[in-house]
Amino acid sequence: AQTVTQSQPEMSVQEAETVTLSCTYDTSESDYYLFWYKQPPSRQMILVIRQEAYKQQNATENRFSVNFQKAAKSFSLKISDSQLGDAAMYFCAYRSAARGGANSKLTFGKGITLSVRP
Amino acid sequence: KAGVTQTPRYLIKTRGQQVTLSCSPISGHRSVSWYQQTPGQGLQFLFEYFSETQRNKGNFPGRFSGRQFSNSRSEMNVSTLELGDSALYLCASSLSGGEDTEAFFGQGTRLTVV
Repeated sequence: AQTVTQSQPEMSVQEAETVTLSCTYDTSESDYYLFWYKQPPSRQMILVIRQEAYKQQNATENRFSVNFQKAAKSFSLKISDSQLGDAAMYFCAYRSAARGGANSKLTFGKGITLSVRP
Repeated sequence: KAGVTQTPRYLIKTRGQQVTLSCSPISGHRSVSWYQQTPGQGLQFLFEYFSETQRNKGNFPGRFSGRQFSNSRSEMNVSTLELGDSALYLCASSLSGGEDTEAFFGQGTRLTVV
C-alpha cells in the first residue's frame, strides 16, 4: 500500500517571501501521479499542482513549483512571493497510474497548515 | 459550469441513527469518489462509483455504503451512527476517474454525531 507523509504540521511565512512544504511518499509502483491540494477555510479542496512520475521535469504553475525527487520519493512544494490568500491547509496526495481507472483513489498526507504573516 | 455540489452542508445526528449525504458531480463527469476527513485520521478514501457501479472501496465498515444514479449523482449512507463518524465528508468528481483526469472536490458535508 502507498503512504504519504507530511511531517511538518504547521509552517509560517512572511508575505512576499518563499516557503517550501515537504512531502515524502512510499510506493512500489513505478508509474503514478503526485498532487498538491489546497484547502482554505471554505473546506473545498483545490488542485494546486500535479506531477507525473514519468516526467523528469518539475511541474510549475505560476508562483507554485515542485521539487520532485523520484529516487528519494520526495515531492516538495515551493510557493514564491507568498500572498495572504495562500494561507490554508496543504495536502500532498498520491494516485496510481494503473490503467482503466481502477486506481482512481487518492492517498493523502495529514496536511500542513500554512499561515502567511502580513 | 457548476461545480461539485454536496448537500446538506451541515448535519447533526444522534448515535444509532442513519444519514444520507448527496453529491451532484460536474455535468459530464461519470466518476464520483467519497472521502472522510477527520483531525485524527486525515483524509481517507471511502469508495468510488463509476457508471452506477462501485469500482473501488476503502477500508471502512459495512455501515458505510453508497450508490450512484443514472445521472451520475451519488449518495452516501451511514447506518447506526457512532460518535467517531463525526467528520467532514468530501465528494470528488472526474470525467472517468482514470489516471489522466483531474478530480474536482465539493465543499463537503460536516456531519456531527451526538
